[in-house]
Amino acid sequence: NAGVTQTPKFQVLKTGQSMTLQCAQDMNHEYMSWYRQDPGMGLRLIHYSVGAGITDQGEVPNGYNVSRSTTEDFPLRLLSAAPSQTSVYFCASSYGPNQPQHFGDGTRLSIL
Amino acid sequence: GIQVEQSPPDLILQEGANSTLRCNFSDSVNNLQWFHQNPWGQLINLFYIPSGTKQNGRLSATTVATERYSLLYISSSQTTDSGVYFCAVQGGSEKLVFGKGTKLTVNP
Repeated sequence: NAGVTQTPKFQVLKTGQSMTLQCAQDMNHEYMSWYRQDPGMGLRLIHYSVGAGITDQGEVPNGYNVSRSTTEDFPLRLLSAAPSQTSVYFCASSYGPNQPQHFGDGTRLSIL
Repeated sequence: GIQVEQSPPDLILQEGANSTLRCNFSDSVNNLQWFHQNPWGQLINLFYIPSGTKQNGRLSATTVATERYSLLYISSSQTTDSGVYFCAVQGGSEKLVFGKGTKLTVNP
């Protein structure tokens, strides 16, 4: 099993560009979530989904969009990148919100 | 929302020493997990422990839900234990909230 797969691992964008961070899991997990990690801030929840077709906002949702058309995939979209979105992004999945979370290896994103 | 505080923020040990990391949380929780972020940035789930005590090799964890804290014990530390240890909790919502972590450095 691949677990949670994030692509790309690294990306550099210019301010104003858009892009999609991909997250896929092969464990048939219903719950998926996106976090960003900034120095000294720990991990902060951006968006999460409790199942296909259902998404909700986390702590820091502004500037990000998500959708969940399948159980396996949960892409994160930056519509107009800003330097404040420079961060490391982690995707996680689990059977449910009360269950152990499994993390991908992260995407390191720099916005110039 | 629920608040999570971890202590100490930094810890430096000699190989072979024992340590205790603490996680305090502000409300009752349905879910508490400990993670290790290694120097390559990977997040590894160590324990799922909303209450009680668990052990896995040299690591063990105890959560006292009624007093709103959890402890992570590392015995006979090794250089490979270095990294950042995160506590994450979930209260009444579907959102997992992370503490800011304890950075552990184990010197040979």
